[in-house]
Parts: sequence; structure tokens; C-alpha cells
Amino acid sequence: SQQGEEDPQALSIQEGENATMNCSYKTSINNLQWYRQNSGRGLVHLILIRSNEREKHSGRLRVTLDTSKKSSSLLITASRAADTASYFCATDGGYTGNQFYFGTGTSLTVIP
Amino acid sequence: KAGVTQTPRYLIKTRGQQVTLSCSPISGHRSVSWYQQTPGQGLQFLFEYFSETQRNKGNFPGRFSGRQFSNSRSEMNVSTLELGDSALYLCASSPAVAGTGELFFGEGSRLTVL
Repeated sequence: SQQGEEDPQALSIQEGENATMNCSYKTSINNLQWYRQNSGRGLVHLILIRSNEREKHSGRLRVTLDTSKKSSSLLITASRAADTASYFCATDGGYTGNQFYFGTGTSLTVIP
Repeated sequence: KAGVTQTPRYLIKTRGQQVTLSCSPISGHRSVSWYQQTPGQGLQFLFEYFSETQRNKGNFPGRFSGRQFSNSRSEMNVSTLELGDSALYLCASSPAVAGTGELFFGEGSRLTVL
């Protein structure tokens, strides 16, 4: 399976704290993306980082990528209750086309 | 712009039946892909269509099939349903030809097989 893994599986923090989740993947990639999913609904794209990039920022999100370790991390700063969701990393497995391999997800709970 | 629309949102079938799910992508998006999400296996890639051609296929049995029409709308079909096919089926469209852009997901079709 080309599915990646994320850790922790679940994370519970207080509002205002930072949340960090990690993703490890198995193959070479062209890019890695992070998505958010609110309970049982569709996924929403958060950020894309290309294989030749090491860090990327978008608002309160910071993503790092280490292709030598085949790992990425997502940092959400100053978390809010509305950030409560599951977060998934997705890689293209080095393929062309729009097929992506999703990690197992981190369930984040932000306590008001 | 309207988002990705999936129908039906919920459905219940019995073992052995077949089901067809529909997906209307965002206007202008020619790539449509399908994913199965279950608690045990997570999100798994089913297949991707681009300009009416299946471009990529995941590791699923032949009971899972799909197609794309000239207006980019897509359908997926599951025949001879099994209990393990119970899942949330997600459709995603993309404006990108290759995997260089984001996926826009619909709300999913939740299939329960009894």
C-alpha cells in the first residue's frame, strides 16, 4: 500500500495553543498536500508543498517537508474551536495524473 | 461557482444489488477522481477520469467501475454489493491536468449495504 501514516492519531488541545501533526509517506513524490475533513463531510484543501520546497506558510498554517526522511509536518498556530476536524496528508506517489494517496489522518479536538 | 455535487447523499442497499453514484464537477474541471473512505482502510483511491478516459485506477476489484461523460460529469458503479462496500464515496474534481493542483471534494455519498 502507498498509504501514508500520520501521528498522532488523535490530538486534544486548548484554544489558543499550537497543534502539530506529522505525516510519513513511502514513495517519491512530486508534491504533498494537506486536507481537512469535518465529521463525515468532504475534504477541504489546505495547502500544497512541492518536492523542491522545504517550508510553506498560509495564514495560521505552516507546512514543512523533508523528502530525505519522507515526512511532512503541519503546524496550526493559535488554534480555534473551529479547527476541530480530521487532517490528512496526501501524496501523488510520484505519478502524473490526479491520483493521491492519503494518510490515516489526525483527529484534532480544540477545546474552547 | 457551484461546488462538486454528489448524488445521492445517502443510500441503503442489500448484498448482491448494484449501485450507481453520480458526480458533477466544478464547471471547467476536466479531471474527476473517486475515493472510498472507511473507518478501517481510510481514504483509498478508486479511479480518475480525464476527458472521458480513465487515466488511473486504484487497487479495487472489477466490481467497481466508472465513466465520464463529455460534460465531465462522472458516475461510478458497484455491482454485486458486499457488506464491506459500506463506505463514504467521495468524488473530487481538479482543474489541473497533472497532480499539481488541489482537489475539490464533494460532500460524498454514504452507502450502507445490509
